[in-house]
Amino acid sequence: EADIYQTPRYLVIGTGKKITLECSQTMGHDKMYWYQQDPGMELHLIHYSYGVNSTEKGDLSSESTVSRIRTEHFPLTLESARPSHTSQYLCASSEYRTQETQYFGPGTRLLVL
Amino acid sequence: GQSLEQPSEVTAVEGAIVQINCTYQTSGFYGLSWYQQHDGGAPTFLSYNALDGLEETGRFSSFLSRSDSYGYLLLQELQMKDSASYFCAVTDGGFKTIFGAGTRLFVKA
Repeated sequence: EADIYQTPRYLVIGTGKKITLECSQTMGHDKMYWYQQDPGMELHLIHYSYGVNSTEKGDLSSESTVSRIRTEHFPLTLESARPSHTSQYLCASSEYRTQETQYFGPGTRLLVL
Repeated sequence: GQSLEQPSEVTAVEGAIVQINCTYQTSGFYGLSWYQQHDGGAPTFLSYNALDGLEETGRFSSFLSRSDSYGYLLLQELQMKDSASYFCAVTDGGFKTIFGAGTRLFVKA
């Protein structure tokens, strides 16, 4: 079944640690996105990709980086986690021509102590 | 700057009809989408309007007026399970998606 996966679902980590949030989709979508969402708030686009070897920064300033080496995989890395990074991170994907229809993964809830 | 405005909360009773409005101001515009998100869950796509008019999908309908930079989501025959947050989202001229702050819908019995 075509789907989009995120791991881990929950992560508690200490300040200064390097972390990578994983996102994979089996739908063959070209476009992938990372959003940050605090509880009850809007989604903020932090990174997106048009396809392999393409990465762009979104509207929200972020200290994270992404890579797109394979179509199905779009990991997000925080080199040095801080308490201000505590949030939910949502990965999404869409077909290139119908990007308005985005499919979201279940999210990763990150708590940085 | 770019912005989307939608009410923060709406309350309605089971079986009723509710309309959630969204006005936008963006650099370029390709279309308006609506997403539903239950507490603790991920957003799920509901509808998309690129042209003026009404799009109907079951109990949900979405409307767009490009000249007024305005759209709405209409939910009919409300059910308790419709209690969730509803986000409007605009695909702007740079093909980026901008989300509104979301409207929390409370459906009462």
